[in-house]
Order: sequence, then structure tokens, then C-alpha cells
Amino acid sequence: AQSVAQPEDQVNVAEGNPLTVKCTYSVSGNPYLFWYVQYPNRGLQFLLKYITGDNLVKGSYGFEAEFNKSQTSFHLKKPSALVSDSALYFCAVRAGYSSASKIIFGSGTRLSIRP
Amino acid sequence: GAVVSQHPSRVICKSGTSVKIECRSLDFQATTMFWYRQFPKQSLMLMATSNEGSKATYEQGVEKDKFLINHASLTLSTLTVTSAHPEDSSFYICSATVAGGPRDEQYFGPGTRLTVT
Repeated sequence: AQSVAQPEDQVNVAEGNPLTVKCTYSVSGNPYLFWYVQYPNRGLQFLLKYITGDNLVKGSYGFEAEFNKSQTSFHLKKPSALVSDSALYFCAVRAGYSSASKIIFGSGTRLSIRP
Repeated sequence: GAVVSQHPSRVICKSGTSVKIECRSLDFQATTMFWYRQFPKQSLMLMATSNEGSKATYEQGVEKDKFLINHASLTLSTLTVTSAHPEDSSFYICSATVAGGPRDEQYFGPGTRLTVT
């Protein structure tokens, strides 16, 4: 069965500093990995995905994620955090090849950027 | 990018009544739609998967008679919470996709906040 784990409930970073939000995955077969962001009382916004190819994936709002097969990790990173990055971040894995396969979400990490 | 809407964005209903939530794909035809529930400060839990013109597939532990899903057209799926109770209060989010290859996306709606009093 496919699953993702986000070991940190909360990450606190000062504005301007680099940030990392951790995610590890467990899949049978090829991994299809995603990061989404959720602002209060809002739906999900897609940040980036790994399907195949380069291990470093670049996404929206300056975020990137590094796929590491040996460590089964897909950590989300940004070189310089903004206060507006404060939100809830979800790592997710898709259960199959097709876009119609269900997506399984991690528990979420609340990112707080202090001015 | 593709847009998915939900209506209403917020609804308050009395215990014992039923409430319908709509999910629409505005600029594409969605062969598959998903319904999720999110409790405060928790992750999204998949409730069911629906394909246009066929019965929804429910996740384990989700009562199909309580959460009625209809995917009558390629642009509309509805979730009806029947005989709602306060414990059904939650944030309901839908997503939609054209069933395609791995590079295709699921697109998420903005969510519906249901409060049952």
C-alpha cells in the first residue's frame, strides 16, 4: 500500500532563511509524489510533482523538492522563506499510474514564517 | 489551469436534515471525481471516488447510505449528507480529473464548510 509520512507537525523559520518540510514515502512500484499547500478555510493548491526524470523538481512560488530514492524521501525546500509562505503543507502520493488513481495525503505540516 | 468549483462554500443545517454539496469542473470534462473530508487540523481523508455514469466507490468506513454521491454528468458531481448530525460537521473538498496518464492532474475545489447544529 502507498503511504507518506510527514514527521513534523510544525516548522518554524525566520523570514529570509531557507526552509525544509520533510516527507518520506512508501510505495510499491513507481512513485508519483506531490506537494500541496492549503491556506485557512481554502482548498488545496498544487505546488509540484515528481513523476519521473530529474530528482530536483521545481514548482510554484519558488518551492522545489528533491526526490531521493535511496532515502525514500521527497522533502520540500525553499531557499528564502517569506511570511506569506505560512500555511499548511501536504505531501501526497498517488496510488497508481493514472491521474484517476486516488491520492493519499500525509498528515500535514504547518509552516510558520516569522518576520 | 483547470478550475473546479464547489457550492455552497459554507452551509449550516439543523441536525436531521439533508444537505447537498455540488462540485463542478468549469472548463474541462471530468471523468472521475473524488470527495474528501477534512476535520480541523487534520489531513484530507478520501471518502469516495465517482466515475461519470456509474456508482461511486466508497472507502472503508464511509457509509454509502449516509453520503450519497451522484456523478450524473462530466462536469457535475454531488455529495448529499443525509440526516446530518453534528459529527458530520467538517470541511468537504472535491477534486476532478480527466482519467489520463501520470502527468495529468487532479484539480481541487475550494471546499465546503458544513456545520450541523
